[in-house]
Amino acid sequence: GNSVTQMEGPVTLSEEAFLTINCTYTATGYPSLFWYVQYPGEGLQLLLKATKADDKGSNKGFEATYRKETTSFHLEKGSVQVSDSAVYFCALSRTSGSARQLTFGSGTQLTVLP
Amino acid sequence: GAGVSQSPSNKVTEKGKDVELRCDPISGHTALYWYRQSLGQGLEFLIYFQGNSAPDKSGLPSDRFSAERTGGSVSTLTIQRTQQEDSAVYLCASSLAGTGVLKTQYFGPGTRLLVL
Repeated sequence: GNSVTQMEGPVTLSEEAFLTINCTYTATGYPSLFWYVQYPGEGLQLLLKATKADDKGSNKGFEATYRKETTSFHLEKGSVQVSDSAVYFCALSRTSGSARQLTFGSGTQLTVLP
Repeated sequence: GAGVSQSPSNKVTEKGKDVELRCDPISGHTALYWYRQSLGQGLEFLIYFQGNSAPDKSGLPSDRFSAERTGGSVSTLTIQRTQQEDSAVYLCASSLAGTGVLKTQYFGPGTRLLVL
C-alpha cells in the first residue's frame, strides 16, 4: 500500500537558517506529492505540490523536487522566518482509480526562533 | 462561502453518546473527504464522496462511523456510541473533481472531539 515517511521532529532553527525536512514515499504507480502546512490554531493549507517526476513545487520560498529514483520529496527553504513556525506534512495521492484520498506522513513540528 | 467550514469547532461528549459533525464544502466542489487527526495515528483518511457515486468508505475504522452527503453538498459524519479513542480532530476537505490531473484538496478548520 501507499505510505509516507517524513523526518521526525521537533525541529528548532534560528531565523535565517536553512531548512530541510526529509520525506520519502512508497506507492504503486505514479502518485502526486504534496506538502501541507498547519499553522498554530489553523487548518491544513496546501504549501506546494508536484504531479510528476522531476517536477519542482515552490511557494513562499519553499521548494521540493519530485525524485522518482530516490522516491523522495524533501522540503527546503533557504532562510526561514519566525512566521514559518508550523507543522509540515508530506502527503501523496494516487492519480488513477476513483479515489483521491491523501496519505500523510506523521508531520514535522518546526519552531523558528528570533 | 470562501472556504470549507465545519461545525462545531469543539465538541465534548460522554462515552457512549452519539455525535454529529458537519462539513460545508466550497461551493462547486463535487468531491468531499473526511480525515481524522489524532495523536497516536496521525492524519488518516476516513471517507470520500464524489458526486452521486457510491462513497469510498475504506478508511472508516468501525461500523460506529458513518457519513452522509445530502444534495451533493453538506456532509455529516456520525459517530455512534463514542469511545475515548475516538477523541481527535476531524477534518473535512473538498476539491473539484474529474479524471486526469488531481485536484487540490482544501481543508476546513476541523472539529476537535473529546470523549470523556
